[in-house]
Amino acid sequence: AQSVAQPEDQVNVAEGNPLTVKCTYSVSGNPYLFWYVQYPNRGLQFLLKYITGDNLVKGSYGFEAEFNKSQTSFHLKKPSALVSDSALYFCAVRGGNYGQNFVFGPGTRLSVLP
Amino acid sequence: DTAVSQTPKYLVTQMGNDKSIKCEQNLGHDTMYWYKQDSKKFLKIMFSYNNKELIINETVPNRFSPKSPDKAHLNLHINSLELGDSAVYFCASSQVSGVAKNIQYFGAGTRLSVL
Repeated sequence: AQSVAQPEDQVNVAEGNPLTVKCTYSVSGNPYLFWYVQYPNRGLQFLLKYITGDNLVKGSYGFEAEFNKSQTSFHLKKPSALVSDSALYFCAVRGGNYGQNFVFGPGTRLSVLP
Repeated sequence: DTAVSQTPKYLVTQMGNDKSIKCEQNLGHDTMYWYKQDSKKFLKIMFSYNNKELIINETVPNRFSPKSPDKAHLNLHINSLELGDSAVYFCASSQVSGVAKNIQYFGAGTRLSVL
């Protein structure tokens, strides 16, 4: 069965500091990996994805994520956090085998403190 | 123009009623989804559907059913509403090919409250 873990419910970081939001996954076949962000009372917005190719993926708003196959991880990073980055972040996975659906992690709330 | 739109935005109803939530996408996508987000913000896929295939999450009660009149619409029907159905329901869409393959675009959500 597919699963996604985000081990931290909450991440606090000072503005200007680097941030990391962790994600590990379990799927059958090659993984399709995604990060989404949710602001209050809004739907989820796509940030970035990994399907194949370079392990370091760059996405929207200066975010990037690194795919690590041996550790089955796909951590989200940003070199310098902004207060406006404060939101709920979801990691999602879809297995590469036919008929598999998306599974989302439980979410990590990021708070960037001024 | 809103890419994925859901109506209504808020829905308050009594236990036992039957209700529907509508979803429309104007992105030309071929796959649509329904998700349930509970009070702890946990997001669970309920259905994914394209014109060829419906994939159902086996944990979804059969009181919930998707109805797709055409490729741009996927409505969610809920029969015999229960208190535990209270949540925010999100519609999403994506395409199965191309550069944007599998990227989901979400609606703003429908907050369902069952009294």
